Amino acid sequence: KNQVEQSPQSLIILEGKNCTLQCNYTVSPFSNLRWYKQDTGRGPVSLTIMTFSENTKSNGRYTATLDADTKQSSLHITASQLSDSASYICVVGGGGGSYIPTFGRGTSLIVHP
Amino acid sequence: GAGVSQTPSNKVTEKGKYVELRCDPISGHTALYWYRQSLGQGPEFLIYFQGTGAADDSGLPNDRFFAVRPEGSVSTLKIQRTERGDSAVYLCASSLGSGQGVDEQFFGPGTRLTVL
Repeated sequence: KNQVEQSPQSLIILEGKNCTLQCNYTVSPFSNLRWYKQDTGRGPVSLTIMTFSENTKSNGRYTATLDADTKQSSLHITASQLSDSASYICVVGGGGGSYIPTFGRGTSLIVHP
Repeated sequence: GAGVSQTPSNKVTEKGKYVELRCDPISGHTALYWYRQSLGQGPEFLIYFQGTGAADDSGLPNDRFFAVRPEGSVSTLKIQRTERGDSAVYLCASSLGSGQGVDEQFFGPGTRLTVL
């Protein structure tokens, strides 16, 4: 069964600090991996996408890494801001003509001033 | 252009009632997805449309749930005989529908359904 596991479930950090969120997946065949940011009361918004051949992708202060061999990804947030407070969801797209991605449960990040 | 819109933003209903949730996708997007999200969980897939047809409805929990997309644009998710367990945020997403899972899905703000 395709699964995406995220850790930690929740995280509290101080403004200006860095943090790293983890994602492990068992989706096969693999097509791509996205990180989404979901603000409270809003729909998810894509931050990064990586395919099998990519091992890092940056979007401003967000940097995602992918190790397709170990089936792990991380999202690193640098110099956190209050607006980074949100849920971060790891989503894995399967290959082989699959249109339905597998979602993780998300990591809830709270940035305190 | 406008993003994905969903109406209503909030819906409160009584157990046993019928509800309809509407999704307006991004113009030109042929693929449309419905998801259900409970508090503290990731979105749970319900149904996927490619054009007017439901290409995959394997996520619909039971026959009380039904969705249509008659003209390949706006979609309506219909829930009959609502139960308290149906309470959740219902998210709609659309994508270009180029044919593979690499398409970015653009999400609407969701409809928060509360069944009393």
